[in-house]
Amino acid sequence: SAVISQKPSRDICQRGTSLTIQCQVDSQVTMMFWYRQQPGQSLTLIATANQGSEATYESGFVIDKFPISRPNLTFSTLTVSNMSPEDSSIYLCSVALGETQYFGPGTRLLVL
Amino acid sequence: AQSVTQLDSHVSVSEGTPVLLRCNYSSSYSPSLFWYVQHPNKGLQLLLKYTSAATLVKGINGFEAEFKKSETSFHLTKPSAHMSDAAEYFCVVSEGKGGKLIFGQGTELSVKP
Repeated sequence: SAVISQKPSRDICQRGTSLTIQCQVDSQVTMMFWYRQQPGQSLTLIATANQGSEATYESGFVIDKFPISRPNLTFSTLTVSNMSPEDSSIYLCSVALGETQYFGPGTRLLVL
Repeated sequence: AQSVTQLDSHVSVSEGTPVLLRCNYSSSYSPSLFWYVQHPNKGLQLLLKYTSAATLVKGINGFEAEFKKSETSFHLTKPSAHMSDAAEYFCVVSEGKGGKLIFGQGTELSVKP
C-alpha cells in the first residue's frame, strides 16, 4: 500500500479566492488522481496527473478552474480557483499501485 | 461504458446479525472490482478487491465479496456486524490496471446495538 498525506486537512475560504491542496505520497508513483466528493455524494474524478505530462481532465472539469501540478513522482497539487459555495466539497488525491488505488485522507473545503 | 449500481442507499442491521450490501456492475471488459469504506470524517480505506483471480474475495475486518459474472454482481457480506462497521461503503469498478475508477453512489450502513 501507500501512505498519502494531504494539506490542508480542512479550510474555510471566501468566495473568489483560490486554494491550493497538496498531496504527498511515501513512494514514487506514476499515476496520481484527484477526486471531488460533494456533500452527501459519491466520488467524481477531476483529473489524472502523470509526472512529466499535462493533467488529463474529465468532462465537466477544466484546467482554468482546477489547475494541477505534478513536479515529481511523489507530489502533486490541485488548485481550486475563483471559488464559489458550489465548490464546497471534500477533495481527495489517490495513487495507483498496480490495479489498486489508495486514497489520501481528503481536504474538507467550505466556501462562504 | 462502465457503471456501478449500489442497490441500497441505506442499510440498517443489528449488532451481531449478517450484513449484505448489494452491488451490480456493467463493464465491457473483464472488470476489476473494489469495495471501499469511508468512516465519518475519515478517508477511503480499501476493504477488498477482485482482479480476475478467485471469485470469492476475502477482505479486512471479516468482510468478503463474491464476483458473479452471470449476475454481474459483487455483493459485500459479513457474517456478524459490529458497531464499528457503521460507515459509508462504495462499490467501485476500474477501467483497467491503474485506470479510472467508477464509483457507485454509496451505501450507508447503520448498526444498532
